[in-house]
Amino acid sequence: QKEVEQNSGPLSVPEGAIASLNCTYSDRGSQSFFWYRQYSGKSPELIMSIYSNGDKEDGRFTAQLNKASQYVSLLIRDSQPSDSATYLCAVSQGAQKLVFGQGTRLTINP
Amino acid sequence: KAGVTQTPRYLIKTRGQQVTLSCSPISGHRSVSWYQQTPGQGLQFLFEYFSETQRNKGNFPGRFSGRQFSNSRSEMNVSTLELGDSALYLCASSLSPAAAGANVLTFGAGSRLTVL
Repeated sequence: QKEVEQNSGPLSVPEGAIASLNCTYSDRGSQSFFWYRQYSGKSPELIMSIYSNGDKEDGRFTAQLNKASQYVSLLIRDSQPSDSATYLCAVSQGAQKLVFGQGTRLTINP
Repeated sequence: KAGVTQTPRYLIKTRGQQVTLSCSPISGHRSVSWYQQTPGQGLQFLFEYFSETQRNKGNFPGRFSGRQFSNSRSEMNVSTLELGDSALYLCASSLSPAAAGANVLTFGAGSRLTVL
């Protein structure tokens, strides 16, 4: 079992709809969780961090964490073509050591 | 505020050669880590440095090494290059390990290494 698992996609969503990205992790002791966005040919950029169970909202983005189910998700509301990218889920295993999922490729169709 | 700067951005080497990659963290950031990204394995942690000391190391062979200087700049070295070392090497910086948000990483643009 991989430490962090994501559906690789591609996930195709019409413009204006909600995109839902999911991630599961194996280390029950994990405390810090992150979503990064990576455009083709670019480096990952941080979108959201979440540390407590529940929802965390930032603009059109909502991260959800359920530690009991070892599950993290990212919702993107009112999806825009500019949201088309690969989304990487990451779990912290120390100060700078992140374990990344393989990423979900998201395409927003105009 | 300048971001994380990595040099060189692109390089081509042949098998058996060695390569050194450089990383300058964001001003005020004292922790630097390195990651390897390949299509097959995704993003994998290489090592982490703070205060010129390696604090953590990923599961890579000893051909991969790094160091950090007193000004927080870091270098990584790969010796005896293999074809499978072709990858995007990403450097990330963050605040000191004890600081709030220490595990919030900012990545540089990366160094793309091609081994022929």
